[in-house]
Amino acid sequence: EDKVVQSPLSLVVHEGDTVTLNCSYEVTNFRSLLWYKQEKKAPTFLFMLTSSGIEKKSGRLSSILDKKELFSILNITATQTGDSAIYLCAVEAYNNNDMRFGAGTRLTVKP
Amino acid sequence: ETGVTQTPRHLVMGMTNKKSLKCEQHLGHNAMYWYKQSAKKPLELMFVYNFKEQTENNSVPSRFSPECPNSSHLFLHLHTLQPEDSALYLCASSQDLGSQGGYTFGSGTRLTVV
Repeated sequence: EDKVVQSPLSLVVHEGDTVTLNCSYEVTNFRSLLWYKQEKKAPTFLFMLTSSGIEKKSGRLSSILDKKELFSILNITATQTGDSAIYLCAVEAYNNNDMRFGAGTRLTVKP
Repeated sequence: ETGVTQTPRHLVMGMTNKKSLKCEQHLGHNAMYWYKQSAKKPLELMFVYNFKEQTENNSVPSRFSPECPNSSHLFLHLHTLQPEDSALYLCASSQDLGSQGGYTFGSGTRLTVV
């Protein structure tokens, strides 16, 4: 059965810290892995990763995929209180019509 | 706003009530989805529609009844729900079914069943 596991489930840091969020997966016919940020309600798209070893970067956020070890990490440097959110990892497969989501990591950044 | 609008934002209903959740998108997307998000659990896919035809029903109880009159609108009709159905219900859309690149989500309806 396909599954996506995120860790940690929750994390509390202070402003300026760097955090690494993890996502491991077991999916048949993997196509892509996506990261979303969910602040209040609507998850918003961050990154889509399809190839191993190619870092995607947007400001202080970056992500990379390892298709051999079946995981991805999301890094946030110099965290700010506005980074507080639930970060969702999802995996798309070629044979499915939907994405499989992990349970999310709840990040709290304290001033 | 993401381009996917859900109403109402919050809903409290009794177990004998009938209510409906609405989702609307004007992004020109052809596929629409209902997800359920419970605390500390992964998003659970409920229904998938493509060009207003249901393509997937993920073993959802019949007390949840979806309706898709056109590619821009999606409803979730609720009746005789249980307290464990309390959750955030998210609607999403994508350009096409299984299109790579993620979905656009609405802000959800926070449902409480009392």
